[in-house]
Amino acid sequence: GIQVEQSPPDLILQEGANSTLRCNFSDSVNNLQWFHQNPWGQLINLFYIPSGTKQNGRLSATTVATERYSLLYISSSQTTDSGVYFCAVEKGNSGYALNFGKGTSLLVTP
Amino acid sequence: EAGVAQSPRYKIIEKRQSVAFWCNPISGHATLYWYQQILGQGPKLLIQFQNNGVVDDSQLPKDRFSAERLKGVDSTLKIQPAKLEDSAVYLCASSVGTGGAGTGELFFGEGSRLTVL
Repeated sequence: GIQVEQSPPDLILQEGANSTLRCNFSDSVNNLQWFHQNPWGQLINLFYIPSGTKQNGRLSATTVATERYSLLYISSSQTTDSGVYFCAVEKGNSGYALNFGKGTSLLVTP
Repeated sequence: EAGVAQSPRYKIIEKRQSVAFWCNPISGHATLYWYQQILGQGPKLLIQFQNNGVVDDSQLPKDRFSAERLKGVDSTLKIQPAKLEDSAVYLCASSVGTGGAGTGELFFGEGSRLTVL
């Protein structure tokens, strides 16, 4: 199946700092989503972004499908941003479910 | 709009016992997924339904796990008999459909946390 690699695996930031999380994938994709898993385990949709750039408040994401990577930007981080960020992809035109990466664990300290 | 509903939220059982989890997807979503998430790992797909038909169950341990989606709406995932390594969070998700044009965007429930002693 399609391989999904996320980096860095762990990240510690001080409140107010900016960060970039990366997701590399091994094949063309039909669907790419970024999720935030909060400390209670809930997976929250951040972006549906198979290509292009989207922004939502302090978060933005860019997917360059031809080069098989996606980036998630977090600006002015807050302690509530802590948790695990997952990238998940669906192989192009497969009709199958998302494959998840191993995630980036983010801790934002006061 | 109501989200994906799951129950129970927590379950503790002893090995070799059985357990069942229930999921009600977002109204109008034809595709339903069960994922297993072991602590420290990303979610792994167990089974995908399109309406009441199975699309992919290649990673479902069929000797002990079963799932059904009668009438193409809610779904039940059963484990019998449970093993220690089944301790995990079982996540249900749904989407409008699959493929492009946004129909494959997944929405997750809060999950059911299983502990097998």
